[in-house]
Amino acid sequence: GENVEQHPSTLSVQEGDSAVIKCTYSDSASNYFPWYKQELGKGPQLIIDIRSNVGEKKDQRIAVTLNKTAKHFSLHITETQPEDSAVYFCAASSGDDKIIFGKGTRLHILP
Amino acid sequence: DAGVIQSPRHEVTEMGQEVTLRCKPISGHNSLFWYRQTMMRGLELLIYFNNNVPIDDSGMPEDRFSAKMPNASFSTLKIQPSEPRDSAVYFCASSSLAGTGELFFGEGSRLTVL
Repeated sequence: GENVEQHPSTLSVQEGDSAVIKCTYSDSASNYFPWYKQELGKGPQLIIDIRSNVGEKKDQRIAVTLNKTAKHFSLHITETQPEDSAVYFCAASSGDDKIIFGKGTRLHILP
Repeated sequence: DAGVIQSPRHEVTEMGQEVTLRCKPISGHNSLFWYRQTMMRGLELLIYFNNNVPIDDSGMPEDRFSAKMPNASFSTLKIQPSEPRDSAVYFCASSSLAGTGELFFGEGSRLTVL
């Protein structure tokens, strides 16, 4: 089955700087890669996703890149703000209806 | 829509007791997922349903765990008997696109087994 590895587990960046979170997946059949943000005491919420037919997608300050050959995908947050502090999860789905998550990255935005 | 509704939000119980967690998915969504979140293991998929039918329960830890979806608007996750290692936050999520679209999560049920 699919296995998703996520790094780093904790990340601290200065407000205004960029943050990058990286994930790898094992199943070459995976074709859908969402990213979720979880705030304290809440359930995860989708912030952006990418499908295997594109290599990059951007939405304002967040962007995702996908390298299918290397089975890598990454989340980039630019001009970080205090409200970006949260836990971020990457995930992968091979179309069998199962979305498998990484273990999460706790992002701290330092003032 | 009110979103995915889970109950209880918090449950504290003693080892050996039965625990039942409940979920009401978003109306019109035909897929429902149960996840467990712990610090050590992150978000683990336990089981998912399509059109009320269990499709994959390979993530259910052991026979002490069972899940049902008697109709499109209700699902339960039951642990009997509960053990301290079951302590976690349990999330229910629903989707209209199964594994290829957005999952809408509830706020979770935090379970503590003493």
